[in-house]
Amino acid sequence: AQSVTQPDIHITVSEGASLELRCNYSYGATPYLFWYVQSPGQGLQLLLKYFSGDTLVQGIKGFEAEFKRSQSSFNLRKPSVHWSDAAEYFCAVPISGGYNKLIFGAGTRLAVHP
Amino acid sequence: GAGVSQSPSNKVTEKGKDVELRCDPISGHTALYWYRQSLGQGLEFLIYFQGNSAPDKSGLPSDRFSAERTGGSVSTLTIQRTQQEDSAVYLCASSLGAGVRNIQYFGAGTRLSVL
Repeated sequence: AQSVTQPDIHITVSEGASLELRCNYSYGATPYLFWYVQSPGQGLQLLLKYFSGDTLVQGIKGFEAEFKRSQSSFNLRKPSVHWSDAAEYFCAVPISGGYNKLIFGAGTRLAVHP
Repeated sequence: GAGVSQSPSNKVTEKGKDVELRCDPISGHTALYWYRQSLGQGLEFLIYFQGNSAPDKSGLPSDRFSAERTGGSVSTLTIQRTQQEDSAVYLCASSLGAGVRNIQYFGAGTRLSVL
């Protein structure tokens, strides 16, 4: 069965530092992969997605993620974090079956120190 | 354009009461999803509607939970005889179609507190 693991529950970085949030998945075929962000009191906003092709995908707000099949990973990165990036980040895969019912990881809460 | 709208944004109820949560999807989106976000369980799929097809109710946790979608647009999630473990944020999402390449757009959610 499909699953998503986000090993880090909380991460704290300093403003301007680089960021990497980890996501590992279990999926029977080439997966579709998503990263969503949730700011306090807000719904989820799509940051980026991987469907196929280039394994390095660019998203909004300066984020990127790299699909590594050999490691079953889809880690999210940003070279320089801004205070406004403080939020909770979710990695997700769709369950197979023809539509995109999403399975989410447990989330990583990012805190940014000034 | 307008995004997914959910109401109310917050709901406090007493144990045993029924509650209704509303979702207005993005106009033209044929697929609609309900998810629940709770401290213990994270983000869980509840139910999915696509056009006029029978809904996928496989994620509903008990028969106290039901949902309907009228006219292929607005959806209502109903929880009967609420329990404290129902306290969570209920998120609605919609997408243009049903395939995996259709991006889900989420509302801000309804925070339900059962006292």
